[in-house]
Amino acid sequence: DAKTTQPPSMDCAEGRAANLPCNHSTISGNEYVYWYRQIHSQGPQYIIHGLKNNETNEMASLIITEDRKSSTLILPHATLRDTAVYYCIVRGTNNNDMRFGAGTRLTVKP
Amino acid sequence: GAVVSQHPSRVICKSGTSVKIECRSLDFQATTMFWYRQFPKQSLMLMATSNEGSKATYEQGVEKDKFLINHASLTLSTLTVTSAHPEDSSFYICSARDPSGGDEKLFFGSGTQLSVL
Repeated sequence: DAKTTQPPSMDCAEGRAANLPCNHSTISGNEYVYWYRQIHSQGPQYIIHGLKNNETNEMASLIITEDRKSSTLILPHATLRDTAVYYCIVRGTNNNDMRFGAGTRLTVKP
Repeated sequence: GAVVSQHPSRVICKSGTSVKIECRSLDFQATTMFWYRQFPKQSLMLMATSNEGSKATYEQGVEKDKFLINHASLTLSTLTVTSAHPEDSSFYICSARDPSGGDEKLFFGSGTQLSVL
C-alpha cells in the first residue's frame, strides 16, 4: 500500500471547518483513500473513502486532487466531540488488511 | 453500518497467565478478521490476519506461539495472549470487513485494554 503523510497535529475552533490534509504521492490507480478517526481509548471509526471523485456523507467531505497525490478531509462544522486522531489510509482493492500511519491529532477548541 | 463486538473491554491479569479476547461480527459473516495492537500515544500496528477455518497469518516480528488466534466460525475470532508479561500490556483491537457491503471498508471493535501486573 502507498505511504501517507499527515501533519502530526492541528487545532480548530469549534463551529469552524476542519481541513485535514494527507499526501499520498505514490498512490497507484487501484488504490482508494480511506479516512478513519480514533477517539481516545476506542476503536477506529470509519469516516469516508474515495477513489478519484470527491465524496460527501453525513460526517465529512473528501476532496481528492486530480492527480490523486493528495487529499483533504473536511469536517464542515467541527464540534468538541470531533477531537480525535484522524488517519488517512491508502489501500488497494486486492488488499484485505488496513495499515495505519501516525495520523493527525485534531483538537477542537471552544 | 456493520457492528463488530469485542470482549472484554478491559482486563487485568497476573504475569504468566493467559488472556483470551473475543471478536464477534454481530450482523454479518466475516471470513477474515484482523488483530491490531496499540501502545500509548502510538498508532495501530497490524499483528495478524485471522482466516476462518485456516491458520492465521502473522506479521513479521509477532510471535505466533504467544499470540494464538482462532477463527472457528464466520462470526468469531479469538486472540489468546499466552503467558502474559508486563510488556504485553497494550490496547488490542480487532476488525472485520462485511463482504456483502459492496466496498472495502473495515469495521473495528471497541478494543481491549490489557494490563499485566
